[in-house]
Amino acid sequence: LAKTTQPISMDSYEGQEVNITCSHNNIATNDYITWYQQFPSQGPRFIIQGYKTKVTNEVASLFIPADRKSSTLSLPRVSLSDTAVYYCLVGTLWVTGGGNKLTFGTGTQLKVEL
Amino acid sequence: IAGITQAPTSQILAAGRRMTLRCTQDMRHNAMYWYRQDLGLGLRLIHYSNTAGTTGKGEVPDGYSVSRANTDDFPLTLASAVPSQTSVYFCASSDSSGAGANVLTFGAGSRLTVL
Repeated sequence: LAKTTQPISMDSYEGQEVNITCSHNNIATNDYITWYQQFPSQGPRFIIQGYKTKVTNEVASLFIPADRKSSTLSLPRVSLSDTAVYYCLVGTLWVTGGGNKLTFGTGTQLKVEL
Repeated sequence: IAGITQAPTSQILAAGRRMTLRCTQDMRHNAMYWYRQDLGLGLRLIHYSNTAGTTGKGEVPDGYSVSRANTDDFPLTLASAVPSQTSVYFCASSDSSGAGANVLTFGAGSRLTVL
């Protein structure tokens, strides 16, 4: 399983773009990169997933370089409501009969201020 | 219900007692997971299940057991609770096909305090 490393915390102000980078040096060929958001007293929520290059949805963008050893979650124009913990998860595609131990790191606490 | 339902929402338990945390999903997902979350330690996988009838051990399985009698239910049992099992427990599920396997849907969590 690919181990992930993220900054423990980040601070930002409303309206700014926030980029959170996750390192996953031993990512496997079949691994996807998935990001989750967690608010206090709630379960994590899926944000975005990618395999390579760039993925964009209505919430965020995910940039993955060619070597796939890192990925960057980009949140455009953050607001106070984006204050949360963000987790990077690297997991192998489903292997028949093998199971899938999806493990999370400690995440990045993003604090957005006025 | 829509998504994942966990029960109880919170519970205070005496050490040595047996406790079962319930988890039910209505999405017909093949895979289900139990995580515990402790301050400063993120989410740690306890047990998982590929499909009904099969289970596997995660990072921290000791002191916990699970069963998967059908697709929808995945209960977590603490046979004899200890204070170190005080935590917030999250159940999750995912579609086991392709990239969807990594897209987890989480329940709201069960806060357990063992005294």
